[in-house]
Formats: sequence, structure tokens, C-alpha cells
Amino acid sequence: DVKVTQSSRYLVKRTGEKVFLECVQDMDHENMFWYRQDPGLGLRLIYFSYDVKMKEKGDIPEGYSVSREKKERFSLILESASTNQTSMYLCASSPEGGRFWKTQYFGPGTRLLVL
Amino acid sequence: AQSVTQPDIHITVSEGASLELRCNYSYGATPYLFWYVQSPGQGLQLLLKYFSGDTLVQGIKGFEAEFKRSQSSFNLRKPSVHWSDAAEYFCAVNTNAGKSTFGDGTTLTVKP
Repeated sequence: DVKVTQSSRYLVKRTGEKVFLECVQDMDHENMFWYRQDPGLGLRLIYFSYDVKMKEKGDIPEGYSVSREKKERFSLILESASTNQTSMYLCASSPEGGRFWKTQYFGPGTRLLVL
Repeated sequence: AQSVTQPDIHITVSEGASLELRCNYSYGATPYLFWYVQSPGQGLQLLLKYFSGDTLVQGIKGFEAEFKRSQSSFNLRKPSVHWSDAAEYFCAVNTNAGKSTFGDGTTLTVKP
């Protein structure tokens, strides 16, 4: 069974804090993704990674960075959290490699509140 | 650029009734097509996908979808809805360049 896990379901952080969101997949997938989901704006891609230590910006990378030191783990970092980063964050992975992914499998999401 | 339209923001059906959720896409070639379901506070779960071949695809939880190239549609259906099907449903399109576009979602309410 496909399994994508996210380290926290809910997080509350203060403005200016450095925030780490962790995602792990156990399916040996090459591609991993971070999205944020907001009412009225849908799902928006923040970053994706198609290999260890490789990353590419998505549609809204500003204010975020990522780290992929191991194939199974993809971290999203908010260098200095701001209230407009309050959102639902979804991690996904894809078995199809490279930049030509097709199917995405999602984790349960992390709901982040920045005060 | 590709786009996905889910015309119905909210649909209400009675338990046991049939369901059809609409999805229209815009893309120059045949895309890869997906339906996902999201329960409140949860991530997206893949229901089914279409890449090529038989245009009627079967998914999990008794769902099916039909790809109609002439109508640029990929509608999701279920013959008999259960109360547990209440959730938000997303149609998604992926091109062969790895670009994913999601619809805005359709919220399904199931009446007892």
C-alpha cells in the first residue's frame, strides 16, 4: 500500500519562527512534492524534488525552501514564518521518475497556524 | 496552458442515489486524468486515473469515470452513494511534461 506520512497533523507557530515540515514516503518514489491548499485558491505547488538533493521551484516558492537529503524524506522549511503562510500543507510523492511524473500520492496534510 | 473546470461547487444527493461529478479540461493533447477525494482535515486520496486505453476506468470505493475526448470531459460516477462518500472531490490533469493542474473541487453532501 502506498504510504506518505507527514510529521505533524497540526502546528501552531509564532511569526518569525523557523518551521520544518517533514514528509516521508516508503515506496521508493523518486519524485516528491509540497503543495499548499487554501480556500478559493486550490492546490498550489511550492516545490518539488525529482531526486536526492535535486529540487525545482513550483508556482509559489517565495518564503519557502526545501531539503531532500535522503530519497524517502522531503522537508519544507519556512525560514521566517508569516501569518500569510497559515495554510494546509500537503506532501505528495510519485512513482514515475524525472520531470514527467503522472500519479501523485498524498499524505494526510499538516494544518499550520502562524500567529 | 492546461486548465480544469469542475462546474459544480456543491452537490447534494440522497443516500442510495446515483452520483455524477463533472470535470472538463482544456489541453491540446490527451492528458493524464485523475480523481481524488478529500475528507475534512485529510489529505487527497487517489480514486482512479486514466492514461490511455479503455475510456471507462474503475476505481476504489465503487467509483468509475469515463473519458470523453470529444467533450474534453472526465466525469466521475457512482451508482449508489453511501453516507461515507460525503467529502470534497478533485479532478486533476497532468500533461506529459509533469505539470499538474487541479480543479477547484466539488463538495458532496449525502442526505440520509
